[in-house]
Amino acid sequence: QVQLVQSGAEVKKPGSSVKVSCKASGGTLSGSAISWVRQAPGQGLEWMGGIIPMFGTVDYAQNFQGRVTMTAAEFRGTAYMELSSLTSDDTAVYYCARGTITIFGVNKDNYYGMDVWGQGTTVIVSS
Amino acid sequence: QSALTQPASVSGSPGQSITISCTGTSNDIGAYNFVSWYQQHPDKAPKVIIFDVNNRPSGVSFRFSGSKSGNTASLTISGLQPEDEADYYCSSFTANSRVFGGGTKLTVL
Repeated sequence: QVQLVQSGAEVKKPGSSVKVSCKASGGTLSGSAISWVRQAPGQGLEWMGGIIPMFGTVDYAQNFQGRVTMTAAEFRGTAYMELSSLTSDDTAVYYCARGTITIFGVNKDNYYGMDVWGQGTTVIVSS
Repeated sequence: QSALTQPASVSGSPGQSITISCTGTSNDIGAYNFVSWYQQHPDKAPKVIIFDVNNRPSGVSFRFSGSKSGNTASLTISGLQPEDEADYYCSSFTANSRVFGGGTKLTVL
C-alpha cells in the first residue's frame, strides 16, 4: 500500500507562512485526491481542504479560505499545503490523507475519502 | 459548517459491545452516504475503520460496523478488546466540503 511521507516539524513566527509537503512513497498521485486535516493540541480533527491533481480542482474549507493554498505535482507524487498569516491558533499537527475519487449524481460531483494518512507534521507558531 | 455531534466519552468492558452516535443534519449525514469513521490512538495518525457508512477497509476487524438512519450515523464495536481504547471520529461529506465530529474517547474498563 502506498504510504504518505510528510515533511518535518516547523517552528514559525506569527504572521509568517508555512509550507508542508506530502509525498506518496513509490508512486504518483494519479487517480487520487489529497485532503489536509489539522489537529490542535488536545483537540479534534479539522478538515482544511482537498485537491484532485488530475482534475486540477481544489476545495478549501470556509475557515481557511484566502489563507490556504493547496498544490500538487501529480507525477512526482507530492502534494503541498501552504498556510499564511499564521497565529498561535495555527499551532497543530497537520496531516495529509489520500483517497480515491468517486463521481456521483446528475451534476457529476466528486467525493474522495481519507483512506491513507501521512504521519503528521507538527507546526508550532510562537514569537 | 458546524461539527457533527458525538458523545465525548463512552466506556465498556472487554467482550461487551458499544455504540457511538454521530448526529448531523439533512445537509451532511442525511444527504449523502459518505460517512466515515476514524480511530486514533494517542500520538498516532487517524486510521479509517469504516467508509461510505458501512464498509470496512481491508484489514479492519469485523468487530467494527457502521450504520446510518436519517441524520445520525453510528459506529458499533462488538467484543471490545483493550486495543480498541482510542479516540473515534466520524466524518461526513457536505457540499464539496467535509465535516468531522468532535471525537469520542472510548475507555475499555
